[in-house]
Amino acid sequence: AQTVTQSQPEMSVQEAETVTLSCTYDTSENNYYLFWYKQPPSRQMILVIRQEAYKQQNATENRFSVNFQKAAKSFSLKISDSQLGDTAMYFCAFVEETSGSRLTFGEGTQLTVNP
Amino acid sequence: EAQVTQNPRYLITVTGKKLTVTCSQNMNHEYMSWYRQDPGLGLRQIYYSMNVEVTDKGDVPEGYKVSRKEKRNFPLILESPSPNQTSLYFCASSGWTSGGQVDTQYFGPGTRLTVL
Repeated sequence: AQTVTQSQPEMSVQEAETVTLSCTYDTSENNYYLFWYKQPPSRQMILVIRQEAYKQQNATENRFSVNFQKAAKSFSLKISDSQLGDTAMYFCAFVEETSGSRLTFGEGTQLTVNP
Repeated sequence: EAQVTQNPRYLITVTGKKLTVTCSQNMNHEYMSWYRQDPGLGLRQIYYSMNVEVTDKGDVPEGYKVSRKEKRNFPLILESPSPNQTSLYFCASSGWTSGGQVDTQYFGPGTRLTVL
């Protein structure tokens, strides 16, 4: 069965500092896609970053980057220069290429950025 | 504007009263899904649809029905709601990239359902 684990239910960081959110997953397939979604207090699910498992290069999107370790099945999110607007619940998720749209989510990490 | 819409956004109902939450997307996506979000559990998939008239169960399908008669619409039906279905519900859609890869899922704004 597909599983995603986020071991940090809550984290906090000072504004302008860097924070890393952890995520591990389990799959027997070789081709899959990994995502980080952000859910601010508005409850909207917003895509932060996406990584294809076949790509060795870590994805980056402005202040957001990932550390993808395929052998270890680890997919952490680094937020640099944290801003107050980064305060949100962050979900790690993945989908196997063969399943199409079946996303499996982790439990979420509530990140608070303090001024 | 590309978007997924859900209605209603908020709903309070009583046990046993049938209800439907609508979902519509304007991106011509083949895939659509329903999720429920509960504290400490993340999002769990209820049902998904690979295309018109093709639906399948997700991880928590009990107590729910879906239909996919048109590509853009994917309603979620609770025929006899119970209090344990009180939750935040999300509809999402995705398609394939031009290279044949799974595309990103786009989410609707969510529907907060309370069953008394």
